[in-house]
Amino acid sequence: DAGVIQSPRHEVTEMGQEVTLRCKPISGHDYLFWYRQTMMRGLELLIYFNNNVPIDDSGMPEDRFSAKMPNASFSTLKIQPSEPRDSAVYFCASSWVWENTEAFFGQGTRLTVV
Amino acid sequence: QKEVEQNSGPLSVPEGAIASLNCTYSDRGSQSFFWYRQYSGKSPELIMSIYSNGDKEDGRFTAQLNKASQYVSLLIRDSQPSDSATYLCAVNEGAGGTSYGKLTFGQGTILTVHP
Repeated sequence: DAGVIQSPRHEVTEMGQEVTLRCKPISGHDYLFWYRQTMMRGLELLIYFNNNVPIDDSGMPEDRFSAKMPNASFSTLKIQPSEPRDSAVYFCASSWVWENTEAFFGQGTRLTVV
Repeated sequence: QKEVEQNSGPLSVPEGAIASLNCTYSDRGSQSFFWYRQYSGKSPELIMSIYSNGDKEDGRFTAQLNKASQYVSLLIRDSQPSDSATYLCAVNEGAGGTSYGKLTFGQGTILTVHP
C-alpha cells in the first residue's frame, strides 16, 4: 500500500478563498483523522471518522471548517472562507479498529493563506 | 481538558550518549502511549508504542510506562546525528474501541545529537 495520500502538498491562497484538502486513507482502515499542526498549538485533532461517519468534530475551530468522507477511500477538509490564521500543516491519518493500533500519517498539506 | 506535557527542550546530546525524553499525561483513563519522531518538514512516524507498565525495548529505543505516575519516557541509546528530530509523545484514550488513533499529542521535544 502507498500509505495515506494527501493532496495538494502545498497550497497558497488568498484570504477569503475556499480551500479544499484531500486525503486517501490506507485501504482497509476504518478510522480517518484530520490533524492540524502549528508552532503555537502543536499537533491537534480537528475531526475523525469511523466507517465514513463523523464521530467527533469538537476540534474543528469554526464553522468555516467542514469535513466530509463520501466513501471509504476519500475525505476532504474544506475551509471557506480562508483566513491567514488558518496557515498550518494539515495532516490526515488513518488506522484500524483493532485494539492498540497506531495511526499512520500522510505527508501533510502545507497551507499558506496570504 | 486532556493534556500531555513533555520536557520543553531543546535537548542536545553528544553522539553515542543516551537521550532521555519525558512525558506526563493528565487522563488516568488513557490506555495506549506512543512516541512519534518528526523530522523537519515531514510527517510524524511511529517509533515506539507501549500499553503496559514497565519497559519495552526495540533496538536502541526503550519506552517506559508508569500508569500510577502517569509518566511515559523514551530512552535513545547510542544516539546518532540521524536521531536529531522532534519527538512527540501521544496518548490514546482507547476506551471501548471508539477512539483508536485519536491521539492527544504533547508539544514535542527537539533533540539534537551533535558529532
